Amino acid sequence: EAQVTQNPRYLITVTGKKLTVTCSQNMNHEYMSWYRQDPGLGLRQIYYSMNVEVTDKGDVPEGYKVSRKEKRNFPLILESPSPNQTSLYFCASLGGDRGYFGPGTRLTVT
Amino acid sequence: GESVGLHLPTLSVQEGDNSIINCAYSNSASDYFIWYKQESGKGPQFIIDIRSNMDKRQGQRVTVLLNKTVKHLSLQIAATQPGDSAVYFCAENRNSGYSTLTFGKGTMLLVSP
Repeated sequence: EAQVTQNPRYLITVTGKKLTVTCSQNMNHEYMSWYRQDPGLGLRQIYYSMNVEVTDKGDVPEGYKVSRKEKRNFPLILESPSPNQTSLYFCASLGGDRGYFGPGTRLTVT
Repeated sequence: GESVGLHLPTLSVQEGDNSIINCAYSNSASDYFIWYKQESGKGPQFIIDIRSNMDKRQGQRVTVLLNKTVKHLSLQIAATQPGDSAVYFCAENRNSGYSTLTFGKGTMLLVSP
């Protein structure tokens, strides 16, 4: 079954404590992306990756890092989380122009 | 589940009615458009897509209409069911050398039995 998985699904953390949200896809897609979703703002792109070792900033990259060491994985890293990064995060994998989304990670930073 | 519907435009319909959800897109160079459905607590799911060389495409109970002149996209759902209640997003793929999806703000559809 084609799918995008994310972990963890829910995370509560404190300001400044580094965290990583993992994302994995099994469709051999080259293109992957991270979005955050906030009420009234829709889905905003954080970072994307066109292939292994190729990443670039989206619309709201500040405070985030990503890596793409292998095609199937695209982790999102928050080196020093802040409360304004409290949000719902989605990883997406694009194949044939169509995006496949993970189930989401609800992050709360206190 | 997680609420993503706060502050969204909302369309309320009765079960069995036809629903029309509208979306204005921004980039006249966009050549591919997608409608996604997001249920509470889940990620967006693909519904239907349309390329810019078409003005209409039909799926099962859904139809997408594209008006490039006014940069407008609509999703029509026939015989709306309570299970159709969700937030609907349009997305445009600007395809400017690579694929990337830019999303609209979304519309919440509420279907009453």
